[in-house]
Amino acid sequence: RKEVEQDPGPFNVPEGATVAFNCTYSNSASQSFFWYRQDCRKEPKLLMSVYSSGNEDGRFTAQLNRASQYISLLIRDSKLSDSATYLCVVTLVAGFKTIFGAGTRLFVKA
Amino acid sequence: SQTIHQWPATLVQPVGSPLSLECTVEGTSNPNLYWYRQAAGRGLQLLFYSVGIGQISSEVPQNLSASRPQDRQFILSSKKLLLSDSGFYLCAWGGQGNEKLFFGSGTQLSVL
Repeated sequence: RKEVEQDPGPFNVPEGATVAFNCTYSNSASQSFFWYRQDCRKEPKLLMSVYSSGNEDGRFTAQLNRASQYISLLIRDSKLSDSATYLCVVTLVAGFKTIFGAGTRLFVKA
Repeated sequence: SQTIHQWPATLVQPVGSPLSLECTVEGTSNPNLYWYRQAAGRGLQLLFYSVGIGQISSEVPQNLSASRPQDRQFILSSKKLLLSDSGFYLCAWGGQGNEKLFFGSGTQLSVL
């Protein structure tokens, strides 16, 4: 089983749509959780951290369920510029290992 | 502010040749440093991470090695490249305490 698993995608949505990405992690000792965005042939960039209480940043909402070892990202009112690959990221307590999911590709079309 | 430099941006190497990719971080001390590889259309694979000078943890047995000769310098090496070493190599740094990662701009390595 992979340490971090994501919806394979790709997701093809029209502008203005709401889209949700899911992610599960296998190590219950995982400490920190993030969503990153990666554009084609570019480095990943931090989108937002994910907290147990849930957190929102503009059109983006992230949720964490530690009991189910599940992370989600919701994008509202999708823009063309949201087209990218979204990476679910988990950091373990011991050893400071940071593990990336394989990513979910999003295409937003006019 | 902190910055991370990674070079070169693109590299084409023949099979069997050596490799040395360098990454340096500025504006922070004692960072955690990471090397990832991303094959075309795939996710990021953690290759090595380091929590201090001379401390290297290897995640996947392979044809590569890493070294951290200075606090803010991380080097990825190979004595003899294989075709399967092709990919997008990314260096990253993070603060102590499981904080978020910041990436260099990456090196696209093609082994022919």
